[in-house]
Amino acid sequence: DVKVTQSSRYLVKRTGEKVFLECVQDMDHENMFWYRQDPGLGLRLIYFSYDVKMKEKGDIPEGYSVSREKKERFSLILESASTNQTSMYLCASSCLTGTSGRIGQETQYFGPGTRLLVL
Amino acid sequence: QQQVKQSPQSLIVQKGGISIINCAYENTAFDYFPWYQQFPGKGPALLIAIRPDVSEKKEGRFTISFNKSAKQFSLHIMDSQPGDSATYFCAASKGAYSGAGSYQLTFGKGTKLSVIP
Repeated sequence: DVKVTQSSRYLVKRTGEKVFLECVQDMDHENMFWYRQDPGLGLRLIYFSYDVKMKEKGDIPEGYSVSREKKERFSLILESASTNQTSMYLCASSCLTGTSGRIGQETQYFGPGTRLLVL
Repeated sequence: QQQVKQSPQSLIVQKGGISIINCAYENTAFDYFPWYQQFPGKGPALLIAIRPDVSEKKEGRFTISFNKSAKQFSLHIMDSQPGDSATYFCAASKGAYSGAGSYQLTFGKGTKLSVIP
């Protein structure tokens, strides 16, 4: 079974703090993703990575950065946390090609999420 | 600009009834349409997916209906059970068949389904 783990389930930080959210997958997946989930807004992509040291901006990258130094690990960094970054953060991973061998059909496997509260 | 519109936002269904969730998309380049199911405290998990060359796909009690000309697809849950109570997300991606996949999924905003006994 694919396992995606996130370093914390709940996190409380103060405005202005630097926050690190860690995600680890154990299936040797090339692709990794960070989303935030807010009520009524669904899942919004922050950043994704399709290879070590590679990163691409998603729909809402402002205020965030990422790091992927190893294939299995993808970190989300809030350089200076703000109250509007209070949210549920979800990490996901997928292999390069889906079961049909086609790019774009890959199943994304999600971690349990980190609920971040910024005070 | 929301590329995948999902409705309703919430749905209450009696046990044994049919749950129907609808999604509409704008980008004709989308060619892969998965549905994800999320239980409280868990991350979303793939439930069922369809490609645009078929109009329907069924897996157990879950069916996706796809209307390419209308750019709409829907999830039907037959004989809904309390254990189906969860949030459901439709999604779309492009490039699944051209080899130029963007790896990204565009998600709808989700539907919270409650199945009451």
